[in-house]
Amino acid sequence: GQQVMQIPQYQHVQEGEDFTTYCNSSTTLSNIQWYKQRPGGHPVFLIQLVKSGEVKKQKRLTFQFGEAKKNSSLHITATQTTDVGTYFCAAPSGGSYIPTFGRGTSLIVHP
Amino acid sequence: DAGVIQSPRHEVTEMGQEVTLRCKPISGHDYLFWYRQTMMRGLELLIYFNNNVPIDDSGMPEDRFSAKMPNASFSTLKIQPSEPRDSAVYFCAIRQGGETQYFGPGTRLLVL
Repeated sequence: GQQVMQIPQYQHVQEGEDFTTYCNSSTTLSNIQWYKQRPGGHPVFLIQLVKSGEVKKQKRLTFQFGEAKKNSSLHITATQTTDVGTYFCAAPSGGSYIPTFGRGTSLIVHP
Repeated sequence: DAGVIQSPRHEVTEMGQEVTLRCKPISGHDYLFWYRQTMMRGLELLIYFNNNVPIDDSGMPEDRFSAKMPNASFSTLKIQPSEPRDSAVYFCAIRQGGETQYFGPGTRLLVL
């Protein structure tokens, strides 16, 4: 079935550097969600994107949905140690309206 | 958090033993999901319920796994018999009408 491919798998950054994770699909997505999971924690919903070309911001986090609705990105400006965790995208797969999760990108921030 | 209670939070058992994981969601949800998370396979959807009815259990790895939802406030995931490769974090999640899923804290299972 349809899957969302997420890259990179891991990203090490120095505190203060920017970070971006990408989700790509071979088919058009109806919507895409982003979740964050802290080490030892559970996934927590961050945001949902629905419209083509949509851009949403949450403080230092910027979420984008591609014009073709086949890709999405999460960008963090000036990372902090509190940003450490795994960021997942999730999107409905095939004919289902139930989202399938990507493999996630683990962000490691070095102080 | 939407209020999903999972128990136990940690479980250590021996191979061959039966394991029962529990989920108590708050009221007002329409869907309930069970996920398994491992380093190797990531976050996998095992089964989900809509209004307490199992809709898709294609993610359940084997017949050793079973799940029930006798009412809107309770669901169980059972593994019988358990095997070391079942070691993982098991999450219960709910949806409350919209698209967002709210996850419980998870049960960390170790099968020796």
